[in-house]
Amino acid sequence: EIVLTQSPGTLSLSPGERATLSCWASQNIGSYLAWYQQKPGQAPRLLIYAASSRATGIPDRFSGGGSGTDFTLTISRLEPEDFAVYYCQHCANSPWTFGQGTKVDIK
Amino acid sequence: EVQLVESGGGLVQPGGSLRLSCVASGFTFSSHWMTWVRQAPGKGLEWVANIRQDGNEMYYVDSVKGRFTISRDNAKNSLYLQINSLRAEDTAVYHCARIIAVTIFGLANYAMDVWGPGTTVSVSS
Repeated sequence: EIVLTQSPGTLSLSPGERATLSCWASQNIGSYLAWYQQKPGQAPRLLIYAASSRATGIPDRFSGGGSGTDFTLTISRLEPEDFAVYYCQHCANSPWTFGQGTKVDIK
Repeated sequence: EVQLVESGGGLVQPGGSLRLSCVASGFTFSSHWMTWVRQAPGKGLEWVANIRQDGNEMYYVDSVKGRFTISRDNAKNSLYLQINSLRAEDTAVYHCARIIAVTIFGLANYAMDVWGPGTTVSVSS
């Protein structure tokens, strides 16, 4: 099973600041990585697939990068609606797994 | 509008069973792999199972193998999860989701692009 480790656990920032979230895979997963955003009481929303491709309707302030074992999700300028929990997830093989999540909260 | 709506959750005693359903609308259901993902209270997301478009290929997380069965009825645009021998640790919100497949440099990459709001399963005596 591929383990995904996200860092940091919590990121406290102000609106307008840049957020950089990390996700490390326990083995090489190429570009088989997606990022999701989840707000309290809501279903997750797909942000990024194939490590760096934005999903339909996702603002361009969200960008994904990396390959192999090291990945990042960057939010260039935080908007009030971006404060949420973010998960990475791999689809390299079965079982698919998620990282434990990074909470981005308001400083 | 593309939509997924789950139902069938509830309070069940340990060892009991439930059948979760997910009805799809607004897209060609039979063209997509589908999946179930769960989230225990206050915890992160856990992938549970996938099923191929024709229903003839399935994958499960180890913790549910032999207890959960994913299935689909393309004529009814419906996805199902039969959950047996329920344990306290199965308590969670269960989401169904659509899987998209994108081919990049000849390789298929996947993601879950449409999610239902979820149905809650509580296992307690």
